[in-house]
Amino acid sequence: DIQMTQSPSSLSASIGDRVTITCRASQDIAGWLAWYQQKPEKAPRSLIYAASTLQSGVPSRFSGTTSGTDFTLTISSLQPEDFATYYCQQYNSYPLTFGGGTKVEIK
Amino acid sequence: QLQLRESGPGLVKPSETLSLTCTVSGGSISSGGYYWGWIRQPPGKGLDWIGTLHSSGSTFYNPSLKSRVTISADTSKNQFSLKVTSVSAADTAVYYCGRRAYGIAFDPWGQGTLVTVSS
Repeated sequence: DIQMTQSPSSLSASIGDRVTITCRASQDIAGWLAWYQQKPEKAPRSLIYAASTLQSGVPSRFSGTTSGTDFTLTISSLQPEDFATYYCQQYNSYPLTFGGGTKVEIK
Repeated sequence: QLQLRESGPGLVKPSETLSLTCTVSGGSISSGGYYWGWIRQPPGKGLDWIGTLHSSGSTFYNPSLKSRVTISADTSKNQFSLKVTSVSAADTAVYYCGRRAYGIAFDPWGQGTLVTVSS
């Protein structure tokens, strides 16, 4: 199985801050990585697929980048509605696997 | 707009079978090229992929659950279903269904349904 190691597990940030979340794959996933946002008691929402392609309707302050097996989700200017938990997921091979999540909290 | 909705019992007894249905509206599960999946989330924990049914009929299961899981489709009702046999408290979770296209993330997701395993 491909392990997805996400960091940090939580972070505190202020409105307007630039936030970066990292996900490392245990092996090459050919860029087949998605990022999801989940708010309490809600289903996850897709933000980015193929490592850097923004899902339709997702604000442009969200972006995804790749460096080998390291993937980064960046929120350029944190907004009140962005406080949530974020997950990465690889879909290069089965079993599909998720990172452990990053909870973004208000400082 | 494609919408998915999970349904099924919220309480299942240990050793029994968990059965859930995902009803799809706004699109056909017979449409070629899509993957219809189940994902679960234990209370307070992260997301775990359970399995996926491709529109071709192929199924893919998480090895950690493979011997207990079956995913199937009822095209006449535009639904796909999940069965997990011999459940235990460890199977208590919110269960989500979702659709994925090739190269794309799961989108959309259903709203999720909590299944508790308890006597």
